[in-house]
Amino acid sequence: EVQLVESGGVLVQPGGSLRLSCAASGFTFSNYWMAWVRQAPGKGLEWVANIKTDGSEKYYVDSVKGRFTISRDNAKNSLYLQMNSLRAGDTAVYYCATDNYYKCDYWGQGTLVTVSS
Amino acid sequence: QSALTQPASVSGSPGQSITISCTGTSSDVGGYNYVSWYQQHPGKAPKLMIYEVSNRPSGVSNRFSGSKSGNTASLTISGLQAEDEADYYCYSYRSSSTPYVFGTGTKVTVL
Repeated sequence: EVQLVESGGVLVQPGGSLRLSCAASGFTFSNYWMAWVRQAPGKGLEWVANIKTDGSEKYYVDSVKGRFTISRDNAKNSLYLQMNSLRAGDTAVYYCATDNYYKCDYWGQGTLVTVSS
Repeated sequence: QSALTQPASVSGSPGQSITISCTGTSSDVGGYNYVSWYQQHPGKAPKLMIYEVSNRPSGVSNRFSGSKSGNTASLTISGLQAEDEADYYCYSYRSSSTPYVFGTGTKVTVL
């Protein structure tokens, strides 16, 4: 059974930093592109970033470029999102998902990041 | 980058059919057959319902179907059931510096 479990979401002050993790199991993690998707409270889904199987290609939504970094450790079956210079607008539930040929076929349960003073 | 455009809400009675539209541009929906649809119940993670415009993953009811015409993709739910009440999002590959975009989302209400 495919499982994606996010962690690391907390309350953080504006300007602060945070690293989210996503632990994967039940599939060959190193064979899949992976993605982060977020959802602000009461709002729609927003694609944030994705990363190639070997980490050699990374793409970001414009609003997080230069502030967020996606990475992975295939030996640990883990995906990460380093978030710096956090803003109130980054407050959201962050989901990790498999990015499998232009579709997100498996999702984690999400982790809540709250940016507030 | 602007999101794909969906109606805010669609409703129908049990047993009826409803269709949700998703309008983009020739750089996303119209240019590629990489449109997928997701169902999200309150407080839950999204679930893939349709991929590559019209394909259903294993385990998804055949009451769900997808299509595309020009820059607009559509999700049709036939034989509407109470359990179909949820938010639905389209998603497309886009030829830009941000390679993927979601739709604005549609709340489906079963009357």
